[in-house]
Amino acid sequence: AQKITQTQPGMFVQEKEAVTLDCTYDTSDQSYGLFWYKQPSSGEMIFLIYQGSYDEQNATEGRYSLNFQKARKSANLVISASQLGDSAMYFCAMRDHHSGNTPLVFGKGTRLSVIA
Amino acid sequence: GAVVSQHPSRVICKSGTSVKIECRSLDFQATTMFWYRQFPKQSLMLMATSNEGSKATYEQGVEKDKFLINHASLTLSTLTVTSAHPEDSSFYICSVTDRVDTEAFFGQGTRLTVV
Repeated sequence: AQKITQTQPGMFVQEKEAVTLDCTYDTSDQSYGLFWYKQPSSGEMIFLIYQGSYDEQNATEGRYSLNFQKARKSANLVISASQLGDSAMYFCAMRDHHSGNTPLVFGKGTRLSVIA
Repeated sequence: GAVVSQHPSRVICKSGTSVKIECRSLDFQATTMFWYRQFPKQSLMLMATSNEGSKATYEQGVEKDKFLINHASLTLSTLTVTSAHPEDSSFYICSVTDRVDTEAFFGQGTRLTVV
């Protein structure tokens, strides 16, 4: 079974600073994908970034980067130059690649608050 | 990317009544859709997998007679909460994926309040 662990219930960051949100995972699958989603108070799920287990380079999408350490089974999200609009819940998720259309498994999330 | 439309976005109903939530995949045919439930300040928990033309698969602890799922076409899945009670009040959200190595696309979610 797959499991995602996010150990930081809440994080604070000063505007314009960088912040790292932690995520570790557990799976017996060799091929899988790791995701980060942002959920503002409206509830919508906003896709941020994806990392495949066989991708050799860390994924980057604008101000978002994923620090993928496969041996440690970690997939931390780094947000650079934080903005007030980044305040939201952030979920790390994963799914395996070999079982057809499978759902995402989510961590408990981290609430990020950006301070002016 | 796929566009998923979920309706209604917010509903308030009386205890004992039923509520239907629709999830539409607008730009591709989804043979599988996923339904999640999210209680306040908690994570998304998978409720069931909706399969076009066949019965849904429910996660352990989810009452299939209470949460009826119908996936009658490749673009529409519905979740009906039957005989709703206050403890069913939650945020329900659907999801589709067209490829295993890309993001999952989510509907806007439905905030259900049972009074």
